[in-house]
Amino acid sequence: EDKVVQSPLSLVVHEGDTVTLNCSYEVTNFRSLLWYKQEKKAPTFLFMLTSSGIEKKSGRLSSILDKKELSSILNITATQTGDSAIYLCAANDYKLSFGAGTTVTVRA
Amino acid sequence: SAVISQKPSRDICQRGTSLTIQCQVDSQVTMMFWYRQQPGQSLTLIATANQGSEATYESGFVIDKFPISRPNLTFSTLTVSNMSPEDSSIYLCSVRTPTNIEAFFGQGTRLTVV
Repeated sequence: EDKVVQSPLSLVVHEGDTVTLNCSYEVTNFRSLLWYKQEKKAPTFLFMLTSSGIEKKSGRLSSILDKKELSSILNITATQTGDSAIYLCAANDYKLSFGAGTTVTVRA
Repeated sequence: SAVISQKPSRDICQRGTSLTIQCQVDSQVTMMFWYRQQPGQSLTLIATANQGSEATYESGFVIDKFPISRPNLTFSTLTVSNMSPEDSSIYLCSVRTPTNIEAFFGQGTRLTVV
């Protein structure tokens, strides 16, 4: 059975801190690893990773995939209160298998 | 990317009733997916809606409880039947890009069953 594990489950940081979120996966026919930010209901797309070692970057967020280790990390630098959300990773083969998410709380 | 319109945004329903959630996509897509997110949980796939054939349900989900329609390549509905408080969740529809690599979500439906 496909499995996606995220860590930590939650963390609290102060504005300006850097956070690193982890995602490990075991899927049968891996195609991509997706990261989402969920603030209210709908997850919003952050990154799609298909190749090892190539960092994707968007502003203060960045992510990288390690296909050898079957894992990915999401980094958020200079955190702001608006970064407070649940961050989900999903491994994509025929369907998406989601991790439990990491709840990030950024305090002012 | 795809623009997905999902409605209703939220609803409060009486137990024993049914609710139909609609999902409209701005482009033709082969497969549409329906997810459930129970309070404090991650997303769980309910079923894959295929145009022209019956939906494919995941383990633990059955057609009688969650009937799905897919009349064309841009539209799908999910019905939550004979609701109980345990059905209180966020329900999300999702589509893939043609390359089947990226996935996008509708705005979600927050269902509360009382």
